[in-house]
Amino acid sequence: DVKVTQSSRYLVKRTGEKVFLECVQDMDHENMFWYRQDPGLGLRLIYFSYDVKMKEKGDIPEGYSVSREKKERFSLILESASTNQTSMYLCASRLSLGQNTEAFFGQGTRLTVV
Amino acid sequence: GQSLEQPSEVTAVEGAIVQINCTYQTSGFYGLSWYQQHDGGAPTFLSYNALDGLEETGRFSSFLSRSDSYGYLLLQELQMKDSASYFCAVRDPQGGKLIFGQGTELSVKP
Repeated sequence: DVKVTQSSRYLVKRTGEKVFLECVQDMDHENMFWYRQDPGLGLRLIYFSYDVKMKEKGDIPEGYSVSREKKERFSLILESASTNQTSMYLCASRLSLGQNTEAFFGQGTRLTVV
Repeated sequence: GQSLEQPSEVTAVEGAIVQINCTYQTSGFYGLSWYQQHDGGAPTFLSYNALDGLEETGRFSSFLSRSDSYGYLLLQELQMKDSASYFCAVRDPQGGKLIFGQGTELSVKP
């Protein structure tokens, strides 16, 4: 079974802190994603990585950066956390080949910025 | 860009049939996927349609009409455990980005 693991389930950080959210997948998937989920807004794509060291902005990249130094790990960085970044963050991975490859999600990190 | 529209919520009773619609606007099209997410859980893949028509998997079916840019998820013999959010998704044709709709919250009542 594919496993996508996010480092923390719940996180509380202070405004202005630098925050790292880590995601690891164990199925050698090329594509990895970071989404943010807020009530009524669905899953919004923050960043996408299609291979090691390769990244593309999603729909809401402002205030975030990412790092993909190894294929299995994709990190989301909040350079200076703000209260409007309080949200559920979901990481996902999928194979790049083929159109019908499903995305596998981690359990999510609920981040609260105070 | 890509955009998908779904109803925000649907309510149905146990044993009934419910249909969740999704309309999409994309610059290209590689198929429509559906995901289920229970409260507090991770989204999980349900189905994928690349061609027009109905795909059936047990109690769940998914339909696609490419000419209408429209699809739906059909849930039959509803059970309480089907209460969840359901998302449609498309893949960006210029890359591998996976774009989701806003989700439909399904409530199944006794």
